[in-house]
Amino acid sequence: NAGVTQTPKFRVLKTGQSMTLLCAQDMNHEYMYWYRQDPGMGLRLIHYSVGEGTTAKGEVPDGYNVSRLKKQNFLLGLESAAPSQTSVYFCASSYELVASGRYYEQYFGPGTRLTVT
Amino acid sequence: AQKVTQAQTEISVVEKEDVTLDCVYETRDTTYYLFWYKQPPSGELVFLIRRNSFDEQNEISGRYSWNFQKSTSSFNFTITASQVVDSAVYFCALSEARTGGFKTIFGAGTRLFVKA
Repeated sequence: NAGVTQTPKFRVLKTGQSMTLLCAQDMNHEYMYWYRQDPGMGLRLIHYSVGEGTTAKGEVPDGYNVSRLKKQNFLLGLESAAPSQTSVYFCASSYELVASGRYYEQYFGPGTRLTVT
Repeated sequence: AQKVTQAQTEISVVEKEDVTLDCVYETRDTTYYLFWYKQPPSGELVFLIRRNSFDEQNEISGRYSWNFQKSTSSFNFTITASQVVDSAVYFCALSEARTGGFKTIFGAGTRLFVKA
């Protein structure tokens, strides 16, 4: 049981390049999330998904796109990277409330450190 | 609007000291959930505790204890007899039921240094 995994762990991009971050979970969680962590700002929600084939915007969605084609995977894409997107990106997943009663506690991946030059 | 304030940016203590991490929240919802997460130097966030708005009972888990007070909108975290392994960044977070719990708001975090 690997929990939540993220690939890659580190990446350096040049301004304007594109990339996709992959998140995978093996806990059969319904909900998945992408956050970015910047110094002094905690974690901010980029996009989230409440199930396969559905996605929604979070607090800071601009410049990012996501897809949830399979329940266990949640992809985060940067179409044209900008220096302001230099950050540590975390994926998380959680149980669905009604079925589990676990009240949204989230399980996090190890993070991806992205630098855009 | 939701807001979580962790006023302490960094705290430094000597091993075996007790330390309290403060968390103050704002919400208009009557049903909400509060969380604490730990981020050790390895970087991965680890869930510590969840509290529902309708349950003000304090909780103790080993050296960890949490004090939830709705009257002051606070959810403070105390580590008793701190150890070097407690060194980490600790995040307080809030999730409102009216948003389906999806839009969890995190505080900026408190970095705790425990010196041997």
